[in-house]
Amino acid sequence: GDSVTQTEGLVTLTEGLPVMLNCTYQTIYSNPFLFWYVQHLNESPRLLLKSFTDNKRTEHQGFHATLHKSSSSFHLQKSSAQLSDSALYYCALRYQGGRALIFGTGTTVSVSP
Amino acid sequence: NAGVIQTPRHKVTGKGQEATLWCEPISGHSAVFWYRQTIVQGLEFLTYFRNQAPIDDSGMPKERFSAQMPNQSHSTLKIQSTQPQDSAVYLCASSDRGSAETLYFGSGTRLTVL
Repeated sequence: GDSVTQTEGLVTLTEGLPVMLNCTYQTIYSNPFLFWYVQHLNESPRLLLKSFTDNKRTEHQGFHATLHKSSSSFHLQKSSAQLSDSALYYCALRYQGGRALIFGTGTTVSVSP
Repeated sequence: NAGVIQTPRHKVTGKGQEATLWCEPISGHSAVFWYRQTIVQGLEFLTYFRNQAPIDDSGMPKERFSAQMPNQSHSTLKIQSTQPQDSAVYLCASSDRGSAETLYFGSGTRLTVL
């Protein structure tokens, strides 16, 4: 079945350094929609960015990701982490006409001064 | 726009008791989703409705969990004979269109089964 894999459970880094969160997916369908949701402490998840166009970079709030269908990946990147980026990040998959959004297990990002 | 409203925020039940969780989606949204969130499993899909009709309940534990959407303004998730492993945050989300739709989550109900 469809699945999303996030290899890092926890990422710790110092403010100002770049961050990359890995996301790979598995689906038999050729037109997947990929999403990143962010959840800050004591809040509910909210959409960070999304894409369904192959090899096109999507950006929002300093973060960016590119859907690569050839490698089934949708990694999230930011060039310079801020303290406020500390949160839980979920990668998620849906395909056109498909069932509900499938989430990965999430990556916790902890940014320190 | 008040967002997705979930009640209660916290619920504590004894083992074997019933728990009913409520969700009011954003007005005008056609789809309602239920997810369960735990530290170990992350966000697990339970079930969803579109235009009040049940579309997919593949994530629901069949024996004790049930969900309904009697009208467009609310949905309920009922857990019968609650067990300690049911302890989690139950999140409701709504969305307004298509497969590339954005899900808007409520604040969740934290269920604790003693």
